[in-house]
Amino acid sequence: DQQVKQNSPSLSVQEGRISILNCDYTNSMFDYFLWYKKYPAEGPTFLISISSIKDKNEDGRFTVFLNKSAKHLSLHIVPSQPGDSAVYFCAAYNYGQNFVFGPGTRLSVLP
Amino acid sequence: DTAVSQTPKYLVTQMGNDKSIKCEQNLGHDTMYWYKQDSKKFLKIMFSYNNKELIINETVPNRFSPKSPDKAHLNLHINSLELGDSAVYFCASRRQGLFTEAFFGQGTRLTVV
Repeated sequence: DQQVKQNSPSLSVQEGRISILNCDYTNSMFDYFLWYKKYPAEGPTFLISISSIKDKNEDGRFTVFLNKSAKHLSLHIVPSQPGDSAVYFCAAYNYGQNFVFGPGTRLSVLP
Repeated sequence: DTAVSQTPKYLVTQMGNDKSIKCEQNLGHDTMYWYKQDSKKFLKIMFSYNNKELIINETVPNRFSPKSPDKAHLNLHINSLELGDSAVYFCASRRQGLFTEAFFGQGTRLTVV
């Protein structure tokens, strides 16, 4: 039973354009959401997060949007750069529990 | 300075062997985790430790046992290894609090032959 879903296994974007990665969740108890970036043969690295009391959080080129009613969040990267090519994991957290991860989306930014 | 470090990075071993993976964090975090990334690339929680006490134990085989000699270390022991144990195992740590992220180690790729 997948509580966190990333329905696009892969995404290709031209350098300089916007990348939009999507994530859906089913558990309404989740109150904290995170995006992690993972390069091959490395561990996931934290990118950006958002708590359930907000609907947007921005950090440089990265913006996360949360739509609680739709149980949906998205990560926007603009402008996309070749170094952004990686697998992006969406994760959700419920206080006192543990992080639940989505299956990841592989982003390829083409020069 | 590596925040969360795991050793070894690669481990190849035969079925039936017993092996350990070590994890150390120098962040002063209270909670440490072990995750398994399976063949479908899902990251699934195995264990978490908070102040040296096991607080979550997902339904993993009892051949897997976490050992925490102190707050900075959470080692993973695996007995009687099976082919299906082949995966990448990630250690992580996190500061206690409402909205804090987890920091991951670089992973250990375990191959059972």
